[in-house]
Amino acid sequence: EAGVVQSPRYKIIEKKQPVAFWCNPISGHNTLYWYRQNLGQGPELLIRYENEEAVDDSQLPKDRFSAERLKGVDSTLKIQPAELGDSAVYLCASSLVPSGSLGIQYFGAGTRLSVL
Amino acid sequence: QKEVEQNSGPLSVPEGAIASLNCTYSDRGSQSFFWYRQYSGKSPELIMFIYSNGDKEDGRFTAQLNKASQYVSLLIRDSQPSDSATYLCAVRSNAGGTSYGKLTFGQGTILTVHP
Repeated sequence: EAGVVQSPRYKIIEKKQPVAFWCNPISGHNTLYWYRQNLGQGPELLIRYENEEAVDDSQLPKDRFSAERLKGVDSTLKIQPAELGDSAVYLCASSLVPSGSLGIQYFGAGTRLSVL
Repeated sequence: QKEVEQNSGPLSVPEGAIASLNCTYSDRGSQSFFWYRQYSGKSPELIMFIYSNGDKEDGRFTAQLNKASQYVSLLIRDSQPSDSATYLCAVRSNAGGTSYGKLTFGQGTILTVHP
C-alpha cells in the first residue's frame, strides 16, 4: 500500500514568487494535515482537513497561505508571495478520523522549500 | 512554557547502552502520546504510542507514561548506531472543538549512538 505522497521533494524560489505543494494521502484516510517544520524544531500544524472541510486552520498565515482539498482526497498548499522566513520543510500527513481511533498520523516525505 | 518540551540534546550514548529520552507536556487533559523517529532529511515515522499510565514495551523500545507528573519517556535498550536520529515526542489533545485530535510536537532530541 502506498504511503502519503508529496511533490515536489525540493523547491527553490525567489522571494515574492508563488509556490504550491501537493499531497496525496493514504487511501481511505479522510483526515489530512499540513505541517511546517523549521530546522531543529518539531512539526507545527498549519491546517487540518476532515474530508473537504478545514476543521483547524488557526495556525495558517492566511494573508499569504491557502490550502484546498477538493473531493476530500488530494490537497494543495500554496504560498503567495513567499518570504525568506517561509524556508522550511512542509510535511503532509494523513490519518483515519480522530474520533473512535488513536488518529495515528502517517507522514509523507515532505517538500523542502528554500526561498532566496 | 512550551506545550510539549523534550530534554535538550544532543544525547550521545555508546553502542549497547540504554538511551533515555524525556518529554513533559502542559495540557493535563491529553490522552495519547506518540514517539516519532526522524532520520536526517526524512519524514517522521511512528515508533511507539501510549495512552495508559505505566510502561509499554515493543522490542528494544519502552515507552513510559506518568499522567500525574505529565511526563512521558522513551527508553531504547541495546542502542545501535542505526538508532541515531531525532526523536520527536507528540501529544494528542483531547480538548473539544477544533483542537480535538491535534498533535503538538516537541522540538525533538537528537540521539547519536557511537560504536
